[in-house]
Amino acid sequence: QLQLQESGPGLVKPSETLSLTCTVSGGSISSSTYYWGWIRQPPGKGLEWIGSINYSGSTYYNPSLKSRVTISVDTSKNQFSMRLSSVTAADTAVYYCARPYSGSYAYDYWGQGTLVTVSS
Amino acid sequence: DIQMTQSPSTLSASVGDRVTITCRASQSISSWLAWYQQKPGKAPKLLIYKTSSLESGVPSSFSGSGSGTEFTLTISSLQPDDFATYYCQQYHSHPLTFGGGTKVEIK
Repeated sequence: QLQLQESGPGLVKPSETLSLTCTVSGGSISSSTYYWGWIRQPPGKGLEWIGSINYSGSTYYNPSLKSRVTISVDTSKNQFSMRLSSVTAADTAVYYCARPYSGSYAYDYWGQGTLVTVSS
Repeated sequence: DIQMTQSPSTLSASVGDRVTITCRASQSISSWLAWYQQKPGKAPKLLIYKTSSLESGVPSSFSGSGSGTEFTLTISSLQPDDFATYYCQQYHSHPLTFGGGTKVEIK
């Protein structure tokens, strides 16, 4: 059974960089059919897609975040990561990593999510 | 970006009710639409993909329909476990976008 687990600091100071890693178990991140994704959800609000990456490092980003976000992959560790720079309180959210259905972008496997709070 | 608009934002219903949630896209997305269910403190759960394909393990009381710009999620007989928030998502083009959500509450 595929499992995804987010990890990273739960508290980040304003103007600093938020870094999260998603560790995939029960399956290989190296499959060519998947673009692994990051999605976030501010407290009490809806879902926002951040971006996606495949095993070779090909990426898609949300234009609203593109200038601040970098997504990378480490196939040797079966992980992919996200960095969001110059964070503000508006970046406080639960961050999810997810895997879509093969050949699509409908997400059928999700991590449990990790709350990241931006505060001094 | 393709904007996804869900209605209603909140829906009060009783167990056994038939419930319909609407999702409208700002431009045609063909059939590239998914529906998710989310409960408090949990990750979203995929219910339906490609407008009407039921994810494995999802009760047949859930169904999806539509094409182009207008889509619906129907729960034929609301069960206690169905009280949750529902989101639509288009994956016709990047950036992927979600609707604002519909909270289904107990009447």
